[in-house]
Amino acid sequence: EVQLVESGGGLVQPGGSLKLSCAASGFAFSGSAVNWVRRAPGKGLEWVGHIRSKTNNYATLYGESAKRRFTISRDDSKNTAYLQMNSLRIEDTAVYYCMSAATAWGRGTLVTVSS
Amino acid sequence: SYELTQPPAVSVSPGQTARITCSGDGLAKLYTYWYQQRPGQAPVTVIYKDKERPPGIPERFSGSTSGKRATLTITGVQTEDEADYFCQSSDTADSHRGWVFGGGTYLTVL
Repeated sequence: EVQLVESGGGLVQPGGSLKLSCAASGFAFSGSAVNWVRRAPGKGLEWVGHIRSKTNNYATLYGESAKRRFTISRDDSKNTAYLQMNSLRIEDTAVYYCMSAATAWGRGTLVTVSS
Repeated sequence: SYELTQPPAVSVSPGQTARITCSGDGLAKLYTYWYQQRPGQAPVTVIYKDKERPPGIPERFSGSTSGKRATLTITGVQTEDEADYFCQSSDTADSHRGWVFGGGTYLTVL
């Protein structure tokens, strides 16, 4: 069974950092891109960014809100992808989802940025 | 970069057919994906690559495209289909593409 499990969310102050993890199982993780998507309260889905597979040189691409603040990485030996978030803002408050294996989604992890 | 436009809301009665549209210049040459998100739950892929249905998704969900418009059709809507629906495509036609989402359509099953 394809499964994605996010972790690492929590409460952080503005300007702080947080690192999310996405643990994958049930499919060939190393050959799959991983996308991060978020949904803020009262808003729609927003693409955060993605990391491609080793075959595609682990290339990354970011949405506008994530550029210069967020970094996506992966460790294929652990079947895990990461989202490092720095300089967090109140508007980064959202549920963060990882998506991979073309169609599978995790259940999400809540990030709350508040003082 | 490309943008996607969806109607904010669609309402149908149980058993009727719901059609949710998604418009954007890029859709004429790029794939469309559709996601269902029920309140408090994670998104679920209901259609990928314009018209393909993942395993486990009911046959009443179908996707189509015509020019710059994609349509998600739910035939014989059930109360459990009440949810937000988001279309998604690529934001450019470049070789390395990001994603763009439509604003979402809330389907109410009356």
